[in-house]
Amino acid sequence: GQNIDQPTEMTATEGAIVQINCTYQTSGFNGLFWYQQHAGEAPTFLSYNVLDGLEEKGRFSSFLSRSKGYSYLLLKELQMKDSASYLCAVSLNTGTASKLTFGTGTRLQVTL
Amino acid sequence: DTGVSQNPRHKITKRGQNVTFRCDPISEHNRLYWYRQTLGQGPEFLTYFQNEAQLEKSRLLSDRFSAERPKGSFSTLEIQRTEQGDSAMYLCASSLSPGEEQYFGPGTRLTVT
Repeated sequence: GQNIDQPTEMTATEGAIVQINCTYQTSGFNGLFWYQQHAGEAPTFLSYNVLDGLEEKGRFSSFLSRSKGYSYLLLKELQMKDSASYLCAVSLNTGTASKLTFGTGTRLQVTL
Repeated sequence: DTGVSQNPRHKITKRGQNVTFRCDPISEHNRLYWYRQTLGQGPEFLTYFQNEAQLEKSRLLSDRFSAERPKGSFSTLEIQRTEQGDSAMYLCASSLSPGEEQYFGPGTRLTVT
């Protein structure tokens, strides 16, 4: 079966740095995505890692270690608008498809 | 706005009624996905289309659920004889190719009373 774990909730201060971890146990791994989801809205794409290492995109960076089944999302210079759920999703290669298996999400609260 | 649209945005129905949702993906995307999301959970995969062909269905998709994508463009998801447990956000996503990011629509929130 597929198992993806991430913390349920995190709190951080505006301007700080926060790291959201994700561990996974899956078969047919084809890449790992991070999505941001504000309450009542659809998930929006943040990052994609298919090879080991760090991918940086502005204030957001994502890291992947395939051998450890581990990823993290790093958010720098936190802003109040970053308060949202952050979803870790593993892309599974099922032949012609790459369906996403999501974790339960980490609800991040940014405070003053 | 990702370019994926869904209608209706909200649907309230009584138990036992049938409902149908529509998804219009990004026009050049030939892959279309349906997910279901309940409060406090991540989206769960329901089914997937490549063009008009439905290539995979989750075991979550009981025989009361049916999805179509007749011309390889928009898709519909129908739920027959709705149950209270069907209350959820139904999300549609599309992508250009496997392994590329999926773009999600705003979702249809279904409430079964």
